[in-house]
Amino acid sequence: DQQVKQNSPSLSVQEGRISILNCDYTNSMFDYFLWYKKYPAEGPTFLISISSIKDKNEDGRFTVFLNKSAKHLSLHIVPSQPGDSAVYFCAASATARGNKLVFGAGTILRVKS
Amino acid sequence: GAGVSQSPRYKVAKRGQDVALRCDPISGHVSLFWYQQALGQGPEFLTYFQNEAQLDKSGLPSDRFFAERPEGSVSTLKIQRTQKEDSAVYLCASSRGGTNSYNEQFFGPGTRLTVL
Repeated sequence: DQQVKQNSPSLSVQEGRISILNCDYTNSMFDYFLWYKKYPAEGPTFLISISSIKDKNEDGRFTVFLNKSAKHLSLHIVPSQPGDSAVYFCAASATARGNKLVFGAGTILRVKS
Repeated sequence: GAGVSQSPRYKVAKRGQDVALRCDPISGHVSLFWYQQALGQGPEFLTYFQNEAQLDKSGLPSDRFFAERPEGSVSTLKIQRTQKEDSAVYLCASSRGGTNSYNEQFFGPGTRLTVL
């Protein structure tokens, strides 16, 4: 069973506009959520995280929103840049159960110039 | 560099061979994780170490997979009698804290294993 789902395999956005990537989870024990970016032939790079005590965390152009009641989180990138083109993974962990990350399948973001 | 390093970056093995994959975590990081990533999917958890103790190995797919971190730093993932279905990218990650702490994990570049 997929505990973390990214339902959009790909997203195409114009440079300068907002990119919104979505993620849903099913396990109510998850209390820490992370977004990673991955380029081909490289490991995932940490972008931003949020704990379950917050509903928003912002870092420069990146903002993550958490809706616990809906078990949904999203990553907003504003403004989008061509260098943001990559695969984005949503991940979740239950800190009481050892911090192992459960990943979604990823969303390919293409930012067109 | 100060990041997580893995070697080799690429490994081709004949079915039935044993392989050993190495991970050098960020210095001082307490936690070390191994993940397996199949093509087109997200990474999947294999095993977790806190210092030298292997606290969770629930993700190891079979008893052919074995991991160790004897001195609490470098870790090795060993796969015995490799099978074609073992072909994947093996990712290592480390994080500063231990269990019950919010710490992001930093990933290495991965080892791409191809079993012929």
